[in-house]
Amino acid sequence: DIQMTQSPSSLSASVGDRITITCRTSQSISRSLNWYQLNPGKAPLLLIYATSSLQSGVPSRFSGSGSGTDFTLSISSLQPEDFATYYCQQSYETPFTFGQGTKLEIK
Amino acid sequence: QLQLQESGPGLVRPSETLSLTCSVSGGSISSSAYYWDWIRQPPGKGLEWIGNIHHSGDTYYSASLKSRVTMSVDTSKNQFSLMLTSVTVADTAVYYCARHPRASNWFDPWGQGTLVTVSS
Repeated sequence: DIQMTQSPSSLSASVGDRITITCRTSQSISRSLNWYQLNPGKAPLLLIYATSSLQSGVPSRFSGSGSGTDFTLSISSLQPEDFATYYCQQSYETPFTFGQGTKLEIK
Repeated sequence: QLQLQESGPGLVRPSETLSLTCSVSGGSISSSAYYWDWIRQPPGKGLEWIGNIHHSGDTYYSASLKSRVTMSVDTSKNQFSLMLTSVTVADTAVYYCARHPRASNWFDPWGQGTLVTVSS
C-alpha cells in the first residue's frame, strides 16, 4: 500500500494568514493526489483533484501543487470557515489511502 | 445536485454484522461513469477506504477488509449497501458513502456520514 505522510498534524493560524500543508507519499504517484476538507457533522468536501485542479465551487484561495512524491495544499488568506481538518488522498492505485490529517485551528 | 445519505443502526454488538445503506438523490446510481464507495473514520483516526461497487455489480474491496465485506447495489431504489461481518470494537467509526468517477479516483460528493458504535 502507498503510505501517506501529512504534515503538520495541527496548525494554529489567524484569519488572513497564508498556510501550507504538505503531503509526502511512499512512492511516486505522478500527479494523482487529491485534497479534502472535513468539518464535524458535515459532508467531506473535495477541494483539489489531480494535484492542482480546483473543484467547482471551491474558492480560489485554495491551491495545490507538486508531483511525484511531494505535494502541498495552500490557502492564501484564511477565512473563518476554513478552520477544519484537511486530508490528502492518493488516487494512483488501490487501496486508495489518505494522510493522517492536518487540523487547522484559530490562533 | 447529487446528494448521498447514509442510514443504518448506530449500535452493533461485537461479532454481529454491520449493515448500512447509502441513498442517492439528484442523480442515477446506474450511470456507467461512476463507482460508489464506502470510507470510514475511527474516532480520532484517519480515513480508511473500504471499497466500491459499480451499478453492474463489479466490486473492489480493500484487502484488509475483503474477507468481511460485501457491497451490493439496488438500482430500483437508487441505493447501495455495505455489510461488514464479525465486527469488533475496532470497527467503530463514522462511515461515509461517496461517488467516484471511473476514470479518476477522487471522491465527490460524500454523504454526511453515520457513526456506528460496536459495543455490547
